[in-house]
Formats: sequence, structure tokens, C-alpha cells
Amino acid sequence: GAGVSQTPSNKVTEKGKYVELRCDPISGHTALYWYRQSLGQGPEFLIYFQGTGAADDSGLPNDRFFAVRPEGSVSTLKIQRTERGDSAVYLCASSLTGPTGELFFGEGSRLTVL
Amino acid sequence: AQSVTQPDIHITVSEGASLELRCNYSYGATPYLFWYVQSPGQGLQLLLKYFSGDTLVQGIKGFEAEFKRSQSSFNLRKPSVHWSDAAEYFCAVGADNQGGKLIFGQGTELSVKP
Repeated sequence: GAGVSQTPSNKVTEKGKYVELRCDPISGHTALYWYRQSLGQGPEFLIYFQGTGAADDSGLPNDRFFAVRPEGSVSTLKIQRTERGDSAVYLCASSLTGPTGELFFGEGSRLTVL
Repeated sequence: AQSVTQPDIHITVSEGASLELRCNYSYGATPYLFWYVQSPGQGLQLLLKYFSGDTLVQGIKGFEAEFKRSQSSFNLRKPSVHWSDAAEYFCAVGADNQGGKLIFGQGTELSVKP
């Protein structure tokens, strides 16, 4: 597709459940980012991939959060044992040149933990 | 600690009036500075960025921003606002020694009166 695609657009789950959020970046973009945006706040950095490897995962809040990008394209953000505080919009972005270039954002996956 | 402050949570301007959105940052390294816009149902879109050189940068949709190192500011301006400019605006900061991480402000919501 032309832009960054994220699925699902909405996910409602129960506390304690496991969730996967998928990001399909713009073709050819080697850099991929995950951000989390809570209501009324700006996006908060989670993790950055350059190719298949996580170049910077300093924003992951704890070990319940994990992200992979096995083939250097699609990425999956995985959240184990979800908590109500995980409720947010999870944004994915991709870039051709890395952090100094333009980030192209998807529309996000809205996660609600009941 | 690095931080970005957008002092105005919500601003209302009349169509055709000028606009200035404020952004202040606290950063130890030489910063990269960005302004993004987020419209309902759409992903964040880059308006403009500053890395070095001329401190007045031009962006898309008629926006400009000026980097003032002495004031640690990067305010966004537009001489004449259009109704379609109503959206949420985010200032963001990055740096060479921060890997892929951009730090975003909490955003300023712009409303445009007819």
C-alpha cells in the first residue's frame, strides 16, 4: 500500500490477556518505530528498528512488551498480561533514512483493556 | 532530562488570522526539531523540520518555524489560518545521541472560527 498500515484499528481485550498489534511499513523503508499515545498526550517512544534488529528499545515500559521485525518489513508489537494502564493508541511509523528523516505514521491501533 | 513543552493546550483563532504555536525544549545535545500535525482519523504528518543552517524553516501548507537557541524555542507560525488547519499540533525533538527516539510535546489543539 501507499502508506503505513496498522491492524487492528481497534482492539478490546480483558485484563490479563495477550495482544498482538501489526504494522506494515511503507515498502523500502528500513527504519520502523513504535510509539504509544495516551489520551491528551503526545506520542511516547517505545522502540526503533533498523532492518531486522531493534536499534533502540529503551522506551519499552517493562518486560510485558516485546516487538519483532523478523524479515525487516512487517513488525508485531506483543503485549503480555495486559493491564488497564496499557490502554492507548499504539502508533507505528516508518522512515527511509532513520530518525533524521521524515517519519510516516500509520493511523494507529486503539487498544482498550477492560 | 530531555523534555518538550507546548504551553498552550488549546488555541482558537479566526479564519484568516495569524497563528503562532509555542514550543520550548530542554535538551543537552544539539537538537533536531520537528512539527507534526494530527487530524482526526489520520496519522501524524510532518509539517517541517530543523537540523542546522537557516533558523527559519519553511514547511508544507504555508507553515514556518523559527529556531531560537537562546530561548530554546521552535515556534510554529502561519500568516493566515484556513478552516482546514484545525487539528492537533505536536512539536518533537531528537538528537544524534538519542538513536531513534523523538520526544514529543503534549500537543496543542487548534480550533478555527469561521
